[in-house]
Amino acid sequence: ETGVTQSPTHLIKTRGQQVTLRCSSQSGHNTVSWYQQALGQGPQFIFQYYREEENGRGNFPPRFSGLQFPNYSSELNVNALELDDSALYLCASSDQAARAGELFFGEGSRLTVL
Amino acid sequence: LAKTTQPISMDSYEGQEVNITCSHNNIATNDYITWYQQFPSQGPRFIIQGYKTKVTNEVASLFIPADRKSSTLSLPRVSLSDTAVYYCLVGVSKAAGNKLTFGGGTRVLVKP
Repeated sequence: ETGVTQSPTHLIKTRGQQVTLRCSSQSGHNTVSWYQQALGQGPQFIFQYYREEENGRGNFPPRFSGLQFPNYSSELNVNALELDDSALYLCASSDQAARAGELFFGEGSRLTVL
Repeated sequence: LAKTTQPISMDSYEGQEVNITCSHNNIATNDYITWYQQFPSQGPRFIIQGYKTKVTNEVASLFIPADRKSSTLSLPRVSLSDTAVYYCLVGVSKAAGNKLTFGGGTRVLVKP
């Protein structure tokens, strides 16, 4: 059973650019969530996808968007990057039928915006 | 959503028991109490979850008083590798799905 994998692990962008982060969910998991973690803070919920549909969104602007594919993998897209978007972006997968609140996180993609 | 309050940091020594108390005065009836652990440069990892009384697994114990307004995570005989940030979460229920709200967590430093 493979865990949650994310790519790339690190990347550097400049203000105004766009970025796409990718996530492969754990085998058998149908739900993917994305979180943003600024340095020294706890992760903040961006949005969740279940069966290819957005299923809940946190307090993030529309320039944060996502996709979930039929194999349950997912992408996070961020347009018009701002300096404050510099953070660790975490993907987590879960099974809606399993224990509530038990998410399996990847190691994250660290984005630096210059 | 119910908010949580936990210590910003705690220091301990190898072999000691570490207890982290989390306050959640406004916890809802359907909410579970869930704890996560996060090592540097890694994603958080689920440790333990409970609704009331005591829950124990191979990693930790979770004590929840009858009023459920607080909870205590207990890590027995910690080692250096237990140095991490520990997050207490409420607002977790089947109805809420898996949209977790993390606070600032407690940074636990285990010293030799």
